[in-house]
Amino acid sequence: KAGVTQTPRYLIKTRGQQVTLSCSPISGHRSVSWYQQTPGQGLQFLFEYFSETQRNKGNFPGRFSGRQFSNSRSEMNVSTLELGDSALYLCASSLTRQGSPVGYGYTFGSGTRLTVV
Amino acid sequence: SQQGEEDPQALSIQEGENATMNCSYKTSINNLQWYRQNSGRGLVHLILIRSNEREKHSGRLRVTLDTSKKSSSLLITASRAADTASYFCATDQKDMRFGAGTRLTVKP
Repeated sequence: KAGVTQTPRYLIKTRGQQVTLSCSPISGHRSVSWYQQTPGQGLQFLFEYFSETQRNKGNFPGRFSGRQFSNSRSEMNVSTLELGDSALYLCASSLTRQGSPVGYGYTFGSGTRLTVV
Repeated sequence: SQQGEEDPQALSIQEGENATMNCSYKTSINNLQWYRQNSGRGLVHLILIRSNEREKHSGRLRVTLDTSKKSSSLLITASRAADTASYFCATDQKDMRFGAGTRLTVKP
C-alpha cells in the first residue's frame, strides 16, 4: 500500500511569507501528526489531528496551524515565516490516536525541507 | 519538550559487533517505540513495546522495557554498515514525544 506522502519535498520561502505543507496519510489511518526537526532542537511535536479534530498541540506559536480533511489528508500552515522556521517538517500517520491504550506505530513521510531566507 | 532521552548521543562500532542504545523517560507510558532515521529522511518504525511487556524481538533487534526504572534499551546484533543511522525512542502517553536520538555509525 502507498506510504505517507508529503508535498512539496523542498521549499524556499522569504521571511514574512506564509507556507502550506500537505500530508496524505496511509489509507485507513485517521491520526496525522506533525513534527518539526532541526539540528538544535531535535524532533518537536507540533500537533495531532484525529478524525478532523485537533487533539494535541505542542509548544509552538499561533503562526503554526493545521487542519485535517474528511479523507484524513492534512495540511499545515505557517504564517509570517521567520528564519528559525527553517527545518524538516515531518508528517506521520497511524491507525490510532496518540495516547491510545492500544497504540500502533507511526508511519512517517519523507518530509518537507523548508528553508526561510 | 522531549520525553525520552537516548544514551549515548553517538556510538561508533565495527561491522559484526552489537550496538546497544538506551532510552530513559519521565512519566508513565502506554507504549514505547523505536525508530530509525537515515540522513534527514523520514523516520522508520522499528518496534513497539507495550507497558506490560518486558522484552520484544524483531529480527536482529531486541528491545527491553523496565517501567520501574523508566528505561528501555535497543540492541542491534551483528550490525551492518546499512544500520548506520540515527535511532530515536518515542514514548506514547498523552502524546508521542521523541528523544534527541543516538547517532550510530557502523564501520565496514
